[in-house]
Amino acid sequence: DAGVIQSPRHEVTEMGQEVTLRCKPISGHDYLFWYRQTMMRGLELLIYFNNNVPIDDSGMPEDRFSAKMPNASFSTLKIQPSEPRDSAVYFCASSYTSGGAKADTQYFGPGTRLTVL
Amino acid sequence: AQKVTQAQTEISVVEKEDVTLDCVYETRDTTYYLFWYKQPPSGELVFLIRRNSFDEQNEISGRYSWNFQKSTSSFNFTITASQVVDSAVYFCAQTPRFGNEKLTFGTGTRLTIIP
Repeated sequence: DAGVIQSPRHEVTEMGQEVTLRCKPISGHDYLFWYRQTMMRGLELLIYFNNNVPIDDSGMPEDRFSAKMPNASFSTLKIQPSEPRDSAVYFCASSYTSGGAKADTQYFGPGTRLTVL
Repeated sequence: AQKVTQAQTEISVVEKEDVTLDCVYETRDTTYYLFWYKQPPSGELVFLIRRNSFDEQNEISGRYSWNFQKSTSSFNFTITASQVVDSAVYFCAQTPRFGNEKLTFGTGTRLTIIP
């Protein structure tokens, strides 16, 4: 089975530019999460969706960040304009709520390493 | 609010030794989930185990074992007969109520296995 897919894997951009990160969750999963990992703050949740609806966006740093989930198989995290302090690894994860041994577990994508110069 | 503490920042052991990674959690919820994830040098986050608050049974999976004790709010992870491939950063994490909510991560323990 395909896991969570993220693109691009690496992104280098200049301050002020728009950055769009993409995520395809595992097929059949109804939850999608965006996390960010930095040395200073560790792993922190930015936002998560259930059935394409944002449930908790309290972790989104500021208005420069936005996330969408137009359908069950695709989500984007956009930063506009980007700043050097946005440099981090951004992870997407997905999970589902049906019964079973693998339910209620978040499976992570490989991450996107973002560098803002 | 939840809090997860991994007091061990870095651990180094010689190959084939046993090693235990400590995890202490804080929560006011009566129902919650606990997790361990592995982050190898390649950077991905690999799920290892999930435990809910009603299941205090210890679990063994090959060389890995987990000890969950509600009395001490701990969920420790032991690797038996460590191997170089076990070198990674290990994260303990918690969700409130259900697994499909915000994961609160500890700061991680960097484990180095010396050949």
